[in-house]
Amino acid sequence: GAGVSQTPSNKVTEKGKYVELRCDPISGHTALYWYRQSLGQGPEFLIYFQGTGAADDSGLPNDRFFAVRPEGSVSTLKIQRTERGDSAVYLCASSRRAGGTDTQYFGPGTRLTVL
Amino acid sequence: QQQVKQSPQSLIVQKGGISIINCAYENTAFDYFPWYQQFPGKGPALLIAIRPDVSEKKEGRFTISFNKSAKQFSLHIMDSQPGDSATYFCAASSNQGGKLIFGQGTELSVKP
Repeated sequence: GAGVSQTPSNKVTEKGKYVELRCDPISGHTALYWYRQSLGQGPEFLIYFQGTGAADDSGLPNDRFFAVRPEGSVSTLKIQRTERGDSAVYLCASSRRAGGTDTQYFGPGTRLTVL
Repeated sequence: QQQVKQSPQSLIVQKGGISIINCAYENTAFDYFPWYQQFPGKGPALLIAIRPDVSEKKEGRFTISFNKSAKQFSLHIMDSQPGDSATYFCAASSNQGGKLIFGQGTELSVKP
């Protein structure tokens, strides 16, 4: 079966521009997570959705970052007025449900480079 | 409180040897401790996980040892193989939501 997919795989943008990163979770998974991974570091939690609602957005660094999941499946991470410090790999993961011991399955990530 | 500290940062092991990676946490609300394996250009993939009600879990060549009183847990890879060369992350989460708190990672290189 298909795993978590993310598009684009690479995104190069200029400082100040707006970007959207897309995540397609595993079919039937109700929980969806966004993480950010800087070079040589572990993934850092950003936000997670249970269904259509953001259950925990405590990891979003500031109000330039926003994520939506309008139909409870595909999610889009939106970054406004990008800064060079936003350069990282953005990982998406999904699980059958949130919490407990449900395995989070990760996508390959989107590598964002802000020039 | 939310940190998970992982060591060593890098590890070189001979083929057939034992690889040991250690993690420590502070938040006693954590109740799920997975280990993830990540190859270059790929997302992390679950390797093995443990709950704090057991002190050890073994799956094939991979074993997690868990010390609740010391708030430490470790991954042991027996008979390490060149194909095990990857970056390994420990993580922790609580039942209050599923967000994972990751360690800094250990880059393992298994020499033939």
